[in-house]
Amino acid sequence: AQKITQTQPGMFVQEKEAVTLDCTYDTSDPSYGLFWYKQPSSGEMIFLIYQGSYDQQNATEGRYSLNFQKARKSANLVISASQLGDSAMYFCAMREGLQGAQKLVFGQGTRLTINP
Amino acid sequence: GAVVSQHPSRVICKSGTSVKIECRSLDFQATTMFWYRQFPKQSLMLMATSNEGSKATYEQGVEKDKFLINHASLTLSTLTVTSAHPEDSSFYICSASRQPEGNQPQHFGDGTRLSIL
Repeated sequence: AQKITQTQPGMFVQEKEAVTLDCTYDTSDPSYGLFWYKQPSSGEMIFLIYQGSYDQQNATEGRYSLNFQKARKSANLVISASQLGDSAMYFCAMREGLQGAQKLVFGQGTRLTINP
Repeated sequence: GAVVSQHPSRVICKSGTSVKIECRSLDFQATTMFWYRQFPKQSLMLMATSNEGSKATYEQGVEKDKFLINHASLTLSTLTVTSAHPEDSSFYICSASRQPEGNQPQHFGDGTRLSIL
């Protein structure tokens, strides 16, 4: 079964608009972390934001915020005031457990295109 | 600045060549590093977990003898693609995280684009 699901293969948004990228996850571990990474065409993986399973508040980092709905097992990324430089692939990922170094499981990704 | 360095960034070589890719943590010690593979327009798939001083743990379907991993120090892991063939052409990327992980992200190298002719 897919542990991380991103249902939007591609998104097209007008510059300066807000955009929400969807992510749902599946785990039975009560301790987990959710991450969003941005991958531009050059290939590097850029960390954007993190949400822990025990965090009471939604994470925010500048123009990025994470809409964490634990009961629904969703962790959508919201980008406010989109910019042309936001065009890239976006991956949602999950890390299960808090002991030691844990691998990340990635979703399929969403290609975001910001139109001028 | 970068906290994980990966080298080389691009390799083009003939079929049958072995290729070594290095992954270094720059300002922290990493007892565990991860190697991922990414095909065009697809997601990252974990190949193996590299453990300092012990054998790597490979994911199901990944050939140990094809993809040799060595983690000889706390700051360096290497992935060697042995006798590479065109089907091994892909984007390989490593990651590591500071310990204890907690809310620390995994930091990725910039990746290696491997093209086998």
